[in-house]
Amino acid sequence: RKEVEQDPGPFNVPEGATVAFNCTYSNSASQSFFWYRQDCRKEPKLLMSVYSSGNEDGRFTAQLNRASQYISLLIRDSKLSDSATYLCVVELSASKIIFGSGTRLSIRP
Amino acid sequence: NAGVTQTPKFQVLKTGQSMTLQCAQDMNHEYMSWYRQDPGMGLRLIHYSVGAGITDQGEVPNGYNVSRSTTEDFPLRLLSAAPSQTSVYFCASSYNREEQYFGPGTRLTVT
Repeated sequence: RKEVEQDPGPFNVPEGATVAFNCTYSNSASQSFFWYRQDCRKEPKLLMSVYSSGNEDGRFTAQLNRASQYISLLIRDSKLSDSATYLCVVELSASKIIFGSGTRLSIRP
Repeated sequence: NAGVTQTPKFQVLKTGQSMTLQCAQDMNHEYMSWYRQDPGMGLRLIHYSVGAGITDQGEVPNGYNVSRSTTEDFPLRLLSAAPSQTSVYFCASSYNREEQYFGPGTRLTVT
């Protein structure tokens, strides 16, 4: 089993739709969780950290479920500019930072 | 601020050649790291550093060396390039590992 698993997609949704991704992790000792966004042939950029209490930033909401060992990302009122690959990141320690392989999202007009 | 810079952007090597990928940051971050990204896989941590003079191995360190003589610079050295090292290499820096700032990447092809 992979340490961090994401549905690769692609998710193809119309503008204005709500879309959600999940990411599961295998190590219950995982300490920190993040969502990064990566545009085609560009570097990853932090979208948001995921806290135990959840985290909301505008149209984006991230949740952590430690009991079931997954994190989620919800995007409301999606825009064309949201088209990207979304990377789930789980950190166990300084030497153990695991990136998921990413979920591709494509927003159509 | 330039952020994190990497050179070169592209590189083609022959098997057995060595080279150094350069990485520099101007944000005074203590933590720096090197990743490789291959198709269908997540970024994998090669080496990291928590400050000048301190480096350690990540998940896939074999075939790579690093050094950290200054806070700003964190070069990655390929000792004897192999086709399996064909990848996109990203350098990153952060203040506390909460948010990592990535460089634009180096696309390396080993023939």
